[in-house]
Amino acid sequence: QVQLHQSGPGLVKPLETLSLTCSVSADSISSYYWNWIRQSPGKGLEWIGHVHQSGYINYKPSLESRVNISLDTSKNQFSLNMTSVTAADTAVYFCVRSMRGRNGLFDNWGQGTLVTVSS
Amino acid sequence: EIVLTQSPATLSLSPGERATLSCRASQSVSTYLAWYQQKPGQAPRLLIYDASKTATGIPARFSGSGSGTDFTLTISSLEPEDFAVYYCQQRSSWPPIFGQGTKLEIK
Repeated sequence: QVQLHQSGPGLVKPLETLSLTCSVSADSISSYYWNWIRQSPGKGLEWIGHVHQSGYINYKPSLESRVNISLDTSKNQFSLNMTSVTAADTAVYFCVRSMRGRNGLFDNWGQGTLVTVSS
Repeated sequence: EIVLTQSPATLSLSPGERATLSCRASQSVSTYLAWYQQKPGQAPRLLIYDASKTATGIPARFSGSGSGTDFTLTISSLEPEDFAVYYCQQRSSWPPIFGQGTKLEIK
C-alpha cells in the first residue's frame, strides 16, 4: 500500500511562495501521475496540477502563472511551489496519486497540510 | 469548465436506511465519473470510479450508476461509519472537477 507523506510550512506570508513536498513510499514514483489538490471552504476541492516522470506537466489554467510542480525520482518525492500567495490560497493541500492508466482518477491521498496565508 | 451539481446538499437518514445521492453534469462526461467519501479531518477516499466500478476495499453496499450527465451513488443499508461528506468528480474533460458535496448526516 503506497503512502504519501507531506511536509512544508503551515503559515506563509502574503505575496511569498508556498512550498510543499510529498514523499512517496512503497511505490515507484515513475509509474504514475502525481497531483496536488487543495480544499477550502469557499472553493471546495480544486485540482492544481500534476506531473509525470516522462516530463509531462499540466496545471489548472487559472493557477498556471503561479504554480510549479516538480518531480525528484532519486528521492521518490514531488513538490509544489506557488508564488505570490494571497488569503485566497489558504486551504488544505493534498498530494495525490492518480490510478495507473486512469489519469485524473485519484486513488491515494496524503494526509493533507493546512496552509494559512497571513502576515 | 464542466460544472457538477450534487443534490441534496444535506441528507438526513438513519442507520439501516438506503441512501441515494445525485450528481448532475453540465455536459456529458460519458462514464468518467467518480465518487469519494470524506470524513472530518481526513482526506477523501475513492469509492466508485468509471461511474459504476467499486474501488479496492470498498464494501458492497456502495454502488454507482449513470452515464452522460446524470449519476447516482447508492448506499444500500447505512452503517454508522457511512455518515460523511460525498463528492462526485469528473475526468472527462480537463481540468478534473469536483462537485460541491452532499453531507450525509444521522437523523
